[in-house]
Amino acid sequence: RKEVEQDPGPFNVPEGATVAFNCTYSNSASQSFFWYRQDCRKEPKLLMSVYSSGNEDGRFTAQLNRASQYISLLIRDSKLSDSATYLCVVWYRGKLIFGQGTELSVKP
Amino acid sequence: NAGVTQTPKFQVLKTGQSMTLQCAQDMNHNSMYWYRQDPGMGLRLIYYSASEGTTDKGEVPNGYNVSRLNKREFSLRLESAAPSQTSVYFCASSQQGNTEAFFGQGTRLTVV
Repeated sequence: RKEVEQDPGPFNVPEGATVAFNCTYSNSASQSFFWYRQDCRKEPKLLMSVYSSGNEDGRFTAQLNRASQYISLLIRDSKLSDSATYLCVVWYRGKLIFGQGTELSVKP
Repeated sequence: NAGVTQTPKFQVLKTGQSMTLQCAQDMNHNSMYWYRQDPGMGLRLIYYSASEGTTDKGEVPNGYNVSRLNKREFSLRLESAAPSQTSVYFCASSQQGNTEAFFGQGTRLTVV
């Protein structure tokens, strides 16, 4: 079983839609959680950290459920510029572990 | 603002050749990482270094060696390249593991 699992998609949504991505992790001792964004196989960049209480950054909301070992990312009012691959990332004992990514394509 | 610098950006090797991928960061970060990315596989951790002088294996270390030369530099060596090592390689660094990681632009390696 992969340490971090995501639905690879692709998710094809119209502009303005709300879309949610999910991620599960296998190690209950994992300590920190992130969402990264990757455009066209360029270098990944941090989108947001994920906190236990949940957190929001503009149109983006991240949630963490430690009991279920589950992380989510909600994007509201999707823009064309949101088209990218979204990577769920978990930190455990010095290692940053990536999920395989979920591809999002926002259409006009 | 250099951040994380990887060299080279592109490389073609013949099977059996060796090469070293270089990575340097100027952010005084403690942790550094090497990943490979293949289509549909996401980023897989090859090796990481939590601090200067330490290195540890990640998910896919076979066929690779690393050196944490100093706090700034973390190199990845392929001793005898194989076609299965054709991939995009990313180096990253972070202050600590639980803080934002910054990535280099990647090295696109083809082994023929």
